[in-house]
Amino acid sequence: DTEVTQTPKHLVMGMTNKKSLKCEQHMGHRAMYWYKQKAKKPPELMFVYSYEKLSINESVPSRFSPECPNSSLLNLHLHALQPEDSALYLCASSRILIGTGDTEAFFGQGTRLTVV
Amino acid sequence: DQQVKQNSPSLSVQEGRISILNCDYTNSMFDYFLWYKKYPAEGPTFLISISSIKDKNEDGRFTVFLNKSAKHLSLHIVPSQPGDSAVYFCAARGGRGAGGTSYGKLTFGQGTILTVHP
Repeated sequence: DTEVTQTPKHLVMGMTNKKSLKCEQHMGHRAMYWYKQKAKKPPELMFVYSYEKLSINESVPSRFSPECPNSSLLNLHLHALQPEDSALYLCASSRILIGTGDTEAFFGQGTRLTVV
Repeated sequence: DQQVKQNSPSLSVQEGRISILNCDYTNSMFDYFLWYKKYPAEGPTFLISISSIKDKNEDGRFTVFLNKSAKHLSLHIVPSQPGDSAVYFCAARGGRGAGGTSYGKLTFGQGTILTVHP
């Protein structure tokens, strides 16, 4: 099983809504990532969790709040988003933190978020 | 500051021929490189990787070449198939010596759209 599962696949939310994106993997990976991808742009790193602890926050606005409740789950809580936050949000996991030995990141299918 | 560059936005190849996708990087602290393939509305799929201590890695139809002195890597697909049509991203990671937020981070190139014609 090399699958990273993200739900929902599509999400439309208003600027005053609160919603959450979910990501799950059962590969025993101990590093999990949130990336954001705008159309025709490369994925950009938002957050990295290593062993359920936040390792990297790429200066992401506080309206995005990550949470790693256990080693298999990663959430991204959304509140008071702006239309420019509309993008494909990708979750990824890797066996260990990228940078500590040869390890690749496996990506989920993404959540297509539209903020109206 | 774009540390990983894919200068060709698109590439068109005939089925059965070789596809060569190129990638350049500027950060000498990158020590591991990966290629991902992405279909529309899907997440990137890992294809092949190479450590900076090697200059070639092969997996079936896919071969990645690394020229460290030129800070250049390329992905060769032989033979190309119509199902290979997708966006290809190269990505680089900073090793332990990178420091700061480069460690633990994949930096992606802009992507190259490959179209393989039957």
